[in-house]
Amino acid sequence: DGGITQSPKYLFRKEGQNVTLSCEQNLNHDAMYWYRQDPGQGLRLIYYSQIVNDFQKGDIAEGYSVSREKKESFPLTVTSAQKNPTAFYLCASRINRGGQPQHFGDGTRLSIL
Amino acid sequence: ILNVEQSPQSLHVQEGDSTNFTCSFPSSNFYALHWYRWETAKSPEALFVMTLNGDEKKKGRISATLNTKEGYSYLYIKGSQPEDSATYLCASPPDAGGTSYGKLTFGQGTILTVHP
Repeated sequence: DGGITQSPKYLFRKEGQNVTLSCEQNLNHDAMYWYRQDPGQGLRLIYYSQIVNDFQKGDIAEGYSVSREKKESFPLTVTSAQKNPTAFYLCASRINRGGQPQHFGDGTRLSIL
Repeated sequence: ILNVEQSPQSLHVQEGDSTNFTCSFPSSNFYALHWYRWETAKSPEALFVMTLNGDEKKKGRISATLNTKEGYSYLYIKGSQPEDSATYLCASPPDAGGTSYGKLTFGQGTILTVHP
């Protein structure tokens, strides 16, 4: 089955640690996205990538980093510079063609110990 | 920054009721409007992508309309069932670059609960 896999489902981090969230897709989509969800707010875009080896900052990129070394993979690193990392993180992908929707993974919930 | 608003924030209906909710967006520089359904413990699922003023789309008991001149879209559910309980999200590209890059600005969602 084609889809997007995010791992782990739950992640705990100590203060001051970097942590990496995994996102893998086998849909052969060119574009991939990372969103953050906080209670009572809409999804906010952290980073996005249109093609391999290229990515752009979204609306709330501070304290995060990404890489796009393979088409299938778009890992997100939450660095110690992110002041409020506790949130639900969603990864998405999309065919790079007008009118196409995004396809989402199941998400990772990150909590600070 | 594009402002996409959804109302109401939450909605409780009885099984069999028909219901609707709203997504508002700036009518200037409109490019597209997406609707997604997000059930608890699942991933968001695309319902519709709408681009033209007057567009109407339907998927089973769910339909959506689009008015780009006044900046709103309605999502309708006919004869709600408990399995329709979910958060319904709308989203729109924030700019022309967003149209080709697939960037979306999301509303905060409408939480629908259908009681048996």
